[in-house]
Parts: sequence; structure tokens; C-alpha cells
Amino acid sequence: DAKTTQPPSMDCAEGRAANLPCNHSTISGNEYVYWYRQIHSQGPQYIIHGLKNNETNEMASLIITEDRKSSTLILPHATLRDTAVYYCIVSSWAGNQFYFGTGTSLTVIP
Amino acid sequence: SQTIHQWPATLVQPVGSPLSLECTVEGTSNPNLYWYRQAAGRGLQLLFYSVGIGQISSEVPQNLSASRPQDRQFILSSKKLLLSDSGFYLCACRRDYGYTFGSGTRLTVV
Repeated sequence: DAKTTQPPSMDCAEGRAANLPCNHSTISGNEYVYWYRQIHSQGPQYIIHGLKNNETNEMASLIITEDRKSSTLILPHATLRDTAVYYCIVSSWAGNQFYFGTGTSLTVIP
Repeated sequence: SQTIHQWPATLVQPVGSPLSLECTVEGTSNPNLYWYRQAAGRGLQLLFYSVGIGQISSEVPQNLSASRPQDRQFILSSKKLLLSDSGFYLCACRRDYGYTFGSGTRLTVV
């Protein structure tokens, strides 16, 4: 079962930052936080992952709280193509139980 | 990099008919492979995973089965489809971090 909780939906104005929260209060010390997104009728796409430290790549930034019980995915300048369902997942590095919750449906508004 | 091939992209099958969905992986050897299902408007549900040829772990007991006859081939099967088997089926492969997903098969049981 998914160990994460996310709001079901969010809106964001085009060009603004989209901040997507995720709660994972039962995360274990060896578990990473992964973010994926799924555009309608496609396979999920990897965005970013992290263990303790904040991470940034060309797609997004990941902010993990010090107690690791929650995190925020930041899309710095949302575009219409960022409209998708965003999934937050916690899993150990070599784990085979990669459970998706219901995710957050992000709508970027022109 | 890993590439996952799934076919067919869409499939319409009558209730009671058999099913065989195939997934093949390129660009890696001895991969961990996964089958997920996504019912309409729902999140992804892990069905099966395999860490090697002939090794199958089932996450959810149901009307489906999986087999891994070759290192980079993963097959999802059913002897008799039910209406509730309709959904979007995704094959995935473990990568350095997280998973790579195929493009999926949309199955409609009528």
C-alpha cells in the first residue's frame, strides 16, 4: 500500500511556481522519496528523487523536511504541458514494492 | 538506457476470452520487471514483479497470472477475462533510481 498522502487536485497559473506537497510520516530511514508524473494515457515519467537533502534537476526541485515526514515538489515555471497527475512514492533503493497512491492532479491554467 | 516495448497499445476482448500481454526490455540485462494496472480514474496498482527468469511474485490475488520465460520478457496472462479486468496495463523495469515505464496497453473487456 502507498505510504504517502497527497491532495487530490491543484491549480497553478502558467508561468508561476507549482508547489505540490506530500506527507510520508511513516517513512523509514532507508527509504527514498520519488516523484513521477503521468500525462493522460501514458506511462509515468520519472521527475526526481531524494533521501535527505534537497535536490534539483532540469525538471524540478525537491524539498524534504528535516524530519523527512513530508516533502514538496516544485515546478519553478509551470507550463501547460505540466498538466498531469503527480505521484509521490517512498521506497527503499532496491525495493520491489513501488506503490503509487492516487496522486495530485495538477492543472496549469493559461 | 532502458527501453520498454509493450504491445498491443489497445485491446478489446470479450468476457471469458484469454489474454496475453507482452513486455520486452532493451538496454539492460537481468532487470527487475513489474506489471501495474490502472483502472479508470484510479492510481496504479502493482500486480506482479519478477527478479529473474521463472521468478514471479504476486501482489494481489486475482484473475491474472504472469510469467517470465526469458531474461528480458515479461508476460501477463488470463485464461478467462472478467469485466473488472478492464484497465490500463503498464510494464516497468527497475533502473538506477526508480523505474522506467512502458507506454501501456489499454484493455477493454466487453
